[in-house]
Amino acid sequence: SYVLTQPPSVSVAPGKTARITCGVNNIGSKSVHWYQQRPGQAPVVVIYYDSDRPSGIPERFSGSNSGNTATLTITRVEAGDEADYYCQVWDSSSDHPVVFGGGTKLTVL
Amino acid sequence: EVQLVESGGGLVQPGGSLRLSCAASGFTFSSYWMHWVRQAPGKGLVWVSRINSDGSSTRYADSVKGRFTISTDNAKNTLYLQMNSLRAEDTAVYYCVRGNGDYGNWYFDLWGRGTLVTVSS
Repeated sequence: SYVLTQPPSVSVAPGKTARITCGVNNIGSKSVHWYQQRPGQAPVVVIYYDSDRPSGIPERFSGSNSGNTATLTITRVEAGDEADYYCQVWDSSSDHPVVFGGGTKLTVL
Repeated sequence: EVQLVESGGGLVQPGGSLRLSCAASGFTFSSYWMHWVRQAPGKGLVWVSRINSDGSSTRYADSVKGRFTISTDNAKNTLYLQMNSLRAEDTAVYYCVRGNGDYGNWYFDLWGRGTLVTVSS
């Protein structure tokens, strides 16, 4: 089954751009969804179907997916963006159809 | 208000049982596939189980297959997770989650706040 690889941590200064990657062979053939989980809270979807953004999610959040890597990009990073971020795909051919990445802790310096 | 509210978590001894409930409100519960996702303390998200909109089809992660049972009561807008033969490694916050989007490629657009299950003697 899929194993989605995310960097354990990413650090960025306020106002800069953060990029969080999610990798597996040929992930570009899948749709990738991204979730933000602030400390002590439930996850919230911030990007779905690679690059769609739910209402209420700032335009600073964007996504892309090609080849072996999907990327969540957060521009003009704010202190409130500090959270864990998880990517997720469906592998319908597997006995374990929902796969999450291991998560990336975004630290705003 | 559109929301999911879990209940039923608590402390249980290894080998014991627990039933989690998730009350849905603010949307047509019977139109959605529903899931349970768990998160062990300090760890990442792990999918546990899903059920289709009319309750006729279920799937489970290998780690819980044969021990957990997912079900729904659409008349009560409630999702359940019956957990038997609990193990220490089942200790986690359990989230009730709504699936949305294209068939076979859903994303999770609504999450409950979670309920903590602790398996310990």
